[in-house]
Amino acid sequence: NAGVTQTPKFQVLKTGQSMTLQCAQDMNHEYMSWYRQDPGMGLRLIHYSVGAGITDQGEVPNGYNVSRSTTEDFPLRLLSAAPSQTSVYFCASSYYRTGGEGYTFGSGTRLTVV
Amino acid sequence: GENVEQHPSTLSVQEGDSAVIKCTYSDSASNYFPWYKQELGKGPQLIIDIRSNVGEKKDQRIAVTLNKTAKHFSLHITETQPEDSAVYFCADVKGNDMRFGAGTRLTVKP
Repeated sequence: NAGVTQTPKFQVLKTGQSMTLQCAQDMNHEYMSWYRQDPGMGLRLIHYSVGAGITDQGEVPNGYNVSRSTTEDFPLRLLSAAPSQTSVYFCASSYYRTGGEGYTFGSGTRLTVV
Repeated sequence: GENVEQHPSTLSVQEGDSAVIKCTYSDSASNYFPWYKQELGKGPQLIIDIRSNVGEKKDQRIAVTLNKTAKHFSLHITETQPEDSAVYFCADVKGNDMRFGAGTRLTVKP
């Protein structure tokens, strides 16, 4: 039972490049979400999904896109990377369909945009 | 909702001492308060939580207290051990909206 798996663990991008951060869970959780973690600011919600085909914006969605074609996968796309998107990104899933509790976090992706 | 204020940002204690981390929230409708521990290079892991209809909850060396009137809740770790060294995050939840504190870096010196 792998839980929440994020790839890659580290990534360096040049300004303007695009990329997709992958997130997969094998717990059959309906709720999945993406957070970014910046020093001194805790974790901030980027996007979330309450089930396949349903996504919604969180606190800091600008510059990011998501899709949820399957229950297992919830990729995060950076359309045109900017230095302000340098951060550690965490994917989380929850056994509560509406989220809020029961979270399992992935181990994170450290992204640097130069 | 508003973010949660968490204090202190860093905390250093001697092994065996107690550690207390405090968080203050602003939305009286918040009804669930989890605490997460994040070790270096890993994602946050839930260690204890409390609901708004409970004043205190304990799990071995870890306890959480909630004061709804003052809108603050605290994490208490007794008999600290070096493996307790980590960053701790509080959060408050209303519905599916979870807001995190900025984190406390706890160092337990052997």
